[in-house]
Amino acid sequence: QQQVKQSPQSLIVQKGGISIINCAYENTAFDYFPWYQQFPGKGPALLIAIRPDVSEKKEGRFTISFNKSAKQFSLHIMDSQPGDSATYFCASRVGSQGNLIFGKGTKLSVKP
Amino acid sequence: SAVISQKPSRDICQRGTSLTIQCQVDSQVTMMFWYRQQPGQSLTLIATANQGSEATYESGFVIDKFPISRPNLTFSTLTVSNMSPEDSSIYLCSVGDSRMPQHFGDGTRLSIL
Repeated sequence: QQQVKQSPQSLIVQKGGISIINCAYENTAFDYFPWYQQFPGKGPALLIAIRPDVSEKKEGRFTISFNKSAKQFSLHIMDSQPGDSATYFCASRVGSQGNLIFGKGTKLSVKP
Repeated sequence: SAVISQKPSRDICQRGTSLTIQCQVDSQVTMMFWYRQQPGQSLTLIATANQGSEATYESGFVIDKFPISRPNLTFSTLTVSNMSPEDSSIYLCSVGDSRMPQHFGDGTRLSIL
């Protein structure tokens, strides 16, 4: 019930391509879905987040697509750049005081 | 967003010793969290620390091993006690409440010999 399943574990994309990372959850009480980006030696940085009352949110090259009925959400990185190479974590939370439940992470490599 | 500073940034410790990690935030926050991230793995919540109350520990983590202090709204410490090689991890502090999403410090990289 508390799990967040993330795929793929690793992803290699050519520069300029689209990177897609998927997450699925089971707990329908989750009401906040952030994505974090982590570079080696750094803490996770909040990238973009969505609430279940919208189906899509876009910030620059980053888009979250949210499918409430399927209990799935995904991160799309358009025009992927080598500087996007990092580990990406999806997460879910119940309520404003709730704890974040993290997926296992996706290591993205963007080849020049 | 809040600026979070952790000290030390890394350390190498001997088996059986204890290390206290400090987390300082540049603004007052209600909730502070401590996570563990083992090499190449995801983040696991150790405990939630609210000012003025006892920390709440997640399953698998106990106060005797990971005592936490939260003396005010901008500071917290996590102690890793009686360390063993299995405690080698990155320990991360984060802050977040109803006003802002959760933000992380850069972590403390701990190696136990």
